[in-house]
Amino acid sequence: QVQLQESGPGLVKPSQTLSLTCTVSGGSISSGGYYWSWIRQHPGKGLEWIGYIYYSGSTYYNPSLKSRVIISVDRSKNQFSLKLSSVTAADTAMYYCVRDNDSSGYYHAFDSWGQGTLVTVSS
Amino acid sequence: DIQMTHSPSSLSASVGDRVTITCRASQSILTSLNWYQQKPGRAPKLLIYTASSLQSGVPSRFSGSGSGTDFTLTISSLQPDDFATYYCQQSYSTPYTFGQGTKLEIK
Repeated sequence: QVQLQESGPGLVKPSQTLSLTCTVSGGSISSGGYYWSWIRQHPGKGLEWIGYIYYSGSTYYNPSLKSRVIISVDRSKNQFSLKLSSVTAADTAMYYCVRDNDSSGYYHAFDSWGQGTLVTVSS
Repeated sequence: DIQMTHSPSSLSASVGDRVTITCRASQSILTSLNWYQQKPGRAPKLLIYTASSLQSGVPSRFSGSGSGTDFTLTISSLQPDDFATYYCQQSYSTPYTFGQGTKLEIK
């Protein structure tokens, strides 16, 4: 069973860049039919999809964050990463890395989640 | 963006009750609708995909239905483990969007 684990700083200063990495185990990030997404959840709030990457490197970002987001993949390490630039307090949230299943009857359902990592933006 | 709206936002029920949660999309999304359960301090868990397909390992008391703009998640007989927040998510078009959630509490 695939497992995902986020890593990265839990505290980022305003105007700096938030950087997180997701390590995938129990399956290959290069498997066709799966996209690799980042989703965030502000404290006590709902879920916001940030964007995804396919193993080929193709990406799609939420237009609300597009100007500040880069998602990349490192197939050799079975990892994908998130960079969010020019952060403010409004970017304080729990960040999840997620497998987006687009295979075998699924249609972009988020079927495997990391445990999440809380990122606080504060000086 | 497609807006997803839950009703109710919160619900109190008892163990053994039959519970229905509704999710409405701002435009037709065919059956591109997924349901998740989230418990405090935990990541969401996929329950139902493409409106009515039960995710592997999810108890059969959970079921989903609907198409177009109106969808329902039904729990046939509430168990203590089911008290949580439930989210719908549309996968019809990017950006994928979630509803604001329905919090299911013990009466």
